[in-house]
Amino acid sequence: GAGVSQSPSNKVTEKGKDVELRCDPISGHTALYWYRQSLGQGLEFLIYFQGNSAPDKSGLPSDRFSAERTGGSVSTLTIQRTQQEDSAVYLCASRLGTWDDSGNTIYFGEGSWLTVV
Amino acid sequence: SQQGEEDPQALSIQEGENATMNCSYKTSINNLQWYRQNSGRGLVHLILIRSNEREKHSGRLRVTLDTSKKSSSLLITASRAADTASYFCATAPKTSGSRLTFGEGTQLTVNP
Repeated sequence: GAGVSQSPSNKVTEKGKDVELRCDPISGHTALYWYRQSLGQGLEFLIYFQGNSAPDKSGLPSDRFSAERTGGSVSTLTIQRTQQEDSAVYLCASRLGTWDDSGNTIYFGEGSWLTVV
Repeated sequence: SQQGEEDPQALSIQEGENATMNCSYKTSINNLQWYRQNSGRGLVHLILIRSNEREKHSGRLRVTLDTSKKSSSLLITASRAADTASYFCATAPKTSGSRLTFGEGTQLTVNP
């Protein structure tokens, strides 16, 4: 597609349930990022993919969080046993280029707003 | 404290005035980027300035970078009500590969 696509746009889930958030990056973009943003806060880095591998997953807050990317394209962020503090906007972004070429623009999706009740 | 801290946290001006936002960071960087965010959703890339550049212009935007002070500023000239948004600086530290680190942002309100 023309831009980074994320789904669902909004998700309300009960505490303890698992959720999956999907990101479809811009075609041809090899780098893919997940960030989290709590209300009124800055962006918190979660994980970075280059192709299907994740050379930097240091931002995942706990082992309840995992992400995968298949075919060098679509990525899924999974949160198991959701907690209320997981409520946030989860933003996906993609970029053309290799890991050491940070000069290319990162394009963000509209985000998935997760509310855990 | 974190890489990429914006100042001020909030700025309210009248249409037609200039808006200046500042960003400070702590480590050596490859580049610094400014993003805009409307209503807490997706971020839009505004401008990128590389570590060997001192100033860059794009339309009504002017960005400066002072690597000796580890700071950057974003100037929006002749502001419009449509410029109302949150503005974030993001740094690409030399030691963190491709990760962009974002600050907390400046909430700009332009009053008609």
